[in-house]
Amino acid sequence: DSGVTQTPKHLITATGQRVTLRCSPRSGDLSVYWYQQSLDQGLQFLIQYYNGEERAKGNILERFSAQQFPDLHSELNLSSLELGDSALYFCASSVGDISNQPQHFGDGTRLSIL
Amino acid sequence: GDSVTQMEGPVTLSEEAFLTINCTYTATGYPSLFWYVQYPGEGLQLLLKATKADDKGSNKGFEATYRKETTSFHLEKGSVQVSDSAVYFCALSMDSNYQLIWGAGTKLIIKP
Repeated sequence: DSGVTQTPKHLITATGQRVTLRCSPRSGDLSVYWYQQSLDQGLQFLIQYYNGEERAKGNILERFSAQQFPDLHSELNLSSLELGDSALYFCASSVGDISNQPQHFGDGTRLSIL
Repeated sequence: GDSVTQMEGPVTLSEEAFLTINCTYTATGYPSLFWYVQYPGEGLQLLLKATKADDKGSNKGFEATYRKETTSFHLEKGSVQVSDSAVYFCALSMDSNYQLIWGAGTKLIIKP
């Protein structure tokens, strides 16, 4: 058990809809990272927050947004969903914001767009 | 830019065989290097890391040595088990960057 909790585990919705994925980091970790894993694109870094502030942005679409709340949990919002957004979305956390620290991953949310 | 290249999979071996998964990197400075493992249906777990040249990371019988001269961080294990079947990701980080740069992943299948 990594200590990182992601909900829900599975999400099935339709094109054009909006969903929110939630992540609770490991106790004591201040950084939260979001990743998308799909068969054709592999593991893609989306965005990182550290102690409530955005730290780094990767290949995140404008239809996607995220935030980290004062209690350090994070939410990833995906809107105007397309079939191609079907993927596994992982959250990871680490103690600080330095990239050479280990990241601890949740079990992911599997998003299926019908 | 910085990048990581892993050998393509799947790699299929028999139990107790010797394992090597190749990983090479391109970076403008001196990165830290990682191997993560993803078991079926789970998230990624850190397997081992090395932060400077000639460092050897090791865990659960797996080893990898940071080779600056060949810009490589190959993963090895002397005798694999069926339970090692998973996807293995090589990654690097630079102090100047907050994010990990990931390889494409190598699927390992161990047959009894």
